[in-house]
Amino acid sequence: QVQLQESGPGLVKPSETLSLTCTVSGGSVSTYYWSWIRQPPGKGLEWIGYIYYSGSTNYNPSLKSRVTISVDRSKNQFSLKVSSVTAADTAVYYCARDAAGLDYWGQGTLVTVSS
Amino acid sequence: DIQMTQSPSSLSASVGDRVTITCRASQNINSYLNWYQQKPGKAPKLLIYAASSLQIGVPSRFSGSGSGTDFTLTINSLQPEDFATYYCQQSSSTLTFGQGTKVEIK
Repeated sequence: QVQLQESGPGLVKPSETLSLTCTVSGGSVSTYYWSWIRQPPGKGLEWIGYIYYSGSTNYNPSLKSRVTISVDRSKNQFSLKVSSVTAADTAVYYCARDAAGLDYWGQGTLVTVSS
Repeated sequence: DIQMTQSPSSLSASVGDRVTITCRASQNINSYLNWYQQKPGKAPKLLIYAASSLQIGVPSRFSGSGSGTDFTLTINSLQPEDFATYYCQQSSSTLTFGQGTKVEIK
């Protein structure tokens, strides 16, 4: 059974960089695509971007200038960085496997942007 | 970006009802359409992929149809555990989600 777990700081200051890691167990990041999705409190889902094991990426155009997704095959992890954060980046951040649909998800982690 | 528009935004239904949620894409996405269920405080769960294929483990009362720009999620005989928010999502180009449909108890 594939399992994903997000980790990282729950509080980030405005203008700083948000950094999260997703650890994959029961499967390998060397197959499929791996996505990050976020959900502001009380709102809908927003796809942030994905990475393929080869390192190729695709990002949401609205976030592209501030987002970097990377993969570490040796640790079976992939990571998200969002730079220059504001309060609008406050959200639950999810990682997910992108196979035929986003079929496995992490439990999500709340990141609050506040001074 | 391809915009996804769901209707209705919310609905009230009773256990045993048949519920239909629609999703419209702003351009042709063929069958690159997935449906998710999300309960409060939980991650979304994939129900339907490729417009009409039932994800393993999902009850058969859930079904999906459509292609091109118009899609439908149907729940036959609504069960208590089906009260949740449902999202469509296209994967024809950079992924986008619909705004969600909240299914509430009448």
